[in-house]
Amino acid sequence: GENVEQHPSTLSVQEGDSAVIKCTYSDSASNYFPWYKQELGKGPQLIIDIRSNVGEKKDQRIAVTLNKTAKHFSLHITETQPEDSAVYFCAARSFNDYKLSFGAGTTVTVRA
Amino acid sequence: KAGVTQTPRYLIKTRGQQVTLSCSPISGHRSVSWYQQTPGQGLQFLFEYFSETQRNKGNFPGRFSGRQFSNSRSEMNVSTLELGDSALYLCASSLTPSGGTNNEQFFGPGTRLTVL
Repeated sequence: GENVEQHPSTLSVQEGDSAVIKCTYSDSASNYFPWYKQELGKGPQLIIDIRSNVGEKKDQRIAVTLNKTAKHFSLHITETQPEDSAVYFCAARSFNDYKLSFGAGTTVTVRA
Repeated sequence: KAGVTQTPRYLIKTRGQQVTLSCSPISGHRSVSWYQQTPGQGLQFLFEYFSETQRNKGNFPGRFSGRQFSNSRSEMNVSTLELGDSALYLCASSLTPSGGTNNEQFFGPGTRLTVL
């Protein structure tokens, strides 16, 4: 099955700086890559996603890039704010089994 | 539009008991997926239901089961509870099943199950 690795496991940034989280996947048949943000006591919230026919997607301060050849994708958060502090998960879904496989998560702390 | 709702939010059971968790998807969503979240194993897929049929299943023992009703609400059941079943159980809904278009998954707040 699909194996998704996520780095780093923790990330501390100064408010206003950028944050980058990287994920790699193993199944070349994966074609859908969502990112989720999970705050304490809540379920994961979909913040952005990208499909394999697109190399980059941006939504305000959040962007995701995908490199199919290298099988990795990244989340970029610019101008970080304290409310960006949360655990972020990447995921990948293969069209072989349609199961969503998640990375282990990155705890992001934005220092004021 | 209301989000995904899960009941109960917290549950404490003892080993050997069984438990049923409930999930109401976003209005109009017909696909419901269940996940288990633990500090050690992270988020793991349990199963997916669409139109009252299980479409997909993760690598969990048969003690974990689920079903979906005609109104798209779903329940999952865990029988003969073990200490290792303590986890946050998350339900996610989408308009269409995995593999189709418009299949972005939206999660509920989860049910925190503690097995003593």
